[in-house]
Amino acid sequence: DQQVKQNSPSLSVQEGRISILNCDYTNSMFDYFLWYKKYPAEGPTFLISISSIKDKNEDGRFTVFLNKSAKHLSLHIVPSQPGDSAVYFCAASGLDQAGTALIFGKGTTLSVSS
Amino acid sequence: KAGVTQTPRYLIKTRGQQVTLSCSPISGHRSVSWYQQTPGQGLQFLFEYFSETQRNKGNFPGRFSGRQFSNSRSEMNVSTLELGDSALYLCASSLDPGSTYEQYFGPGTRLTVT
Repeated sequence: DQQVKQNSPSLSVQEGRISILNCDYTNSMFDYFLWYKKYPAEGPTFLISISSIKDKNEDGRFTVFLNKSAKHLSLHIVPSQPGDSAVYFCAASGLDQAGTALIFGKGTTLSVSS
Repeated sequence: KAGVTQTPRYLIKTRGQQVTLSCSPISGHRSVSWYQQTPGQGLQFLFEYFSETQRNKGNFPGRFSGRQFSNSRSEMNVSTLELGDSALYLCASSLDPGSTYEQYFGPGTRLTVT
């Protein structure tokens, strides 16, 4: 059973607009959530994270929102740029995960057109 | 500071063979995790090593094994290769397990089993 779900395999946005990527999780023991970006032929790159004690974390154009009651998080990219086109992975970890094992969603491919 | 390096980048093997993949973490990072990425399953956690000890293991058969050396470098081995083992194998490092969940990924080794 998938514990971290990214239900939209792809998203297309125009340059300058907002991109919203969504992620749902089922395990209430998760206490830390991360977003990674991946370009072809490269490993995932850490973007931004949020602890479960917060509901928002912002870093430049990237903001992550966490709704614990809904077990939902989202990544907002404002404004979107063509260089943001990549696969975005949502990941989670928590108290029942020994060490730093991350549980990943299957990813959302973002395409930003100019 | 150099990033995570993985060798080889590409590998072609035949069914029944075994393979060893290598990972050198970021200098100072002591935790190394391995992930398998396939188109259908996304990134799946294989195992994590810290101080030469396996701390956590994902849901993979015993044909998948690993080890970590005193300099934090890690290797993973897959024996009796199957066609389904064709995937991108990613290594990630972090400072210490539990101190941070941010993991830094290498570019991966693309394994093709024929």
